[in-house]
Amino acid sequence: DQQVKQNSPSLSVQEGRISILNCDYTNSMFDYFLWYKKYPAEGPTFLISISSIKDKNEDGRFTVFLNKSAKHLSLHIVPSQPGDSAVYFCAASAKISGAGSYQLTFGKGTKLSVIP
Amino acid sequence: SAVISQKPSRDICQRGTSLTIQCQVDSQVTMMFWYRQQPGQSLTLIATANQGSEATYESGFVIDKFPISRPNLTFSTLTVSNLSPEDSSIYLCSVQGNTEAFFGQGTRLTVV
Repeated sequence: DQQVKQNSPSLSVQEGRISILNCDYTNSMFDYFLWYKKYPAEGPTFLISISSIKDKNEDGRFTVFLNKSAKHLSLHIVPSQPGDSAVYFCAASAKISGAGSYQLTFGKGTKLSVIP
Repeated sequence: SAVISQKPSRDICQRGTSLTIQCQVDSQVTMMFWYRQQPGQSLTLIATANQGSEATYESGFVIDKFPISRPNLTFSTLTVSNLSPEDSSIYLCSVQGNTEAFFGQGTRLTVV
């Protein structure tokens, strides 16, 4: 059973417009949420994150919104650029009790294509 | 942040053979993590490798199939043994920062 779901496998957006990538989760124990970006033949790179105590975090063109009651988060990219074309993974983090570390659970990813 | 070098970046292997993937980190870390990404799927944690102790495997993954070494605080290897076409995936090593994880560039394995 998937605890983190990205229901859109792909998304196409015109350059300059807004890209909205969505993610849903089921586990209430998640306390931190992250977005990763992955280009072909490269590992995922961290993009932006949000703590469960916040509802919005903004970093330049990237904004992540969290709706805890709906167990939903979204990544907004505005304006979208062709270089943003990549696979975006949503991830949720839960602390591992007594271990001093955390467990990341990933969605399946959404492939974003920004059309020039 | 951490810089992680992973090799090989890709390989094509015959079924029944094994592939060992190496992961080098530019700083000392207590835990290193190995993930698998099957085609069209999410990243799935295989095991956590602590220096000086046996790796901890997630449900569905066993040491005989995925032996891991962790000889020091900057290096780890993952071996995928007795390869079958179902093992064709991207394998990634990772370390954790305070709140986010960092990944190597991945190893794309194709089993023929």
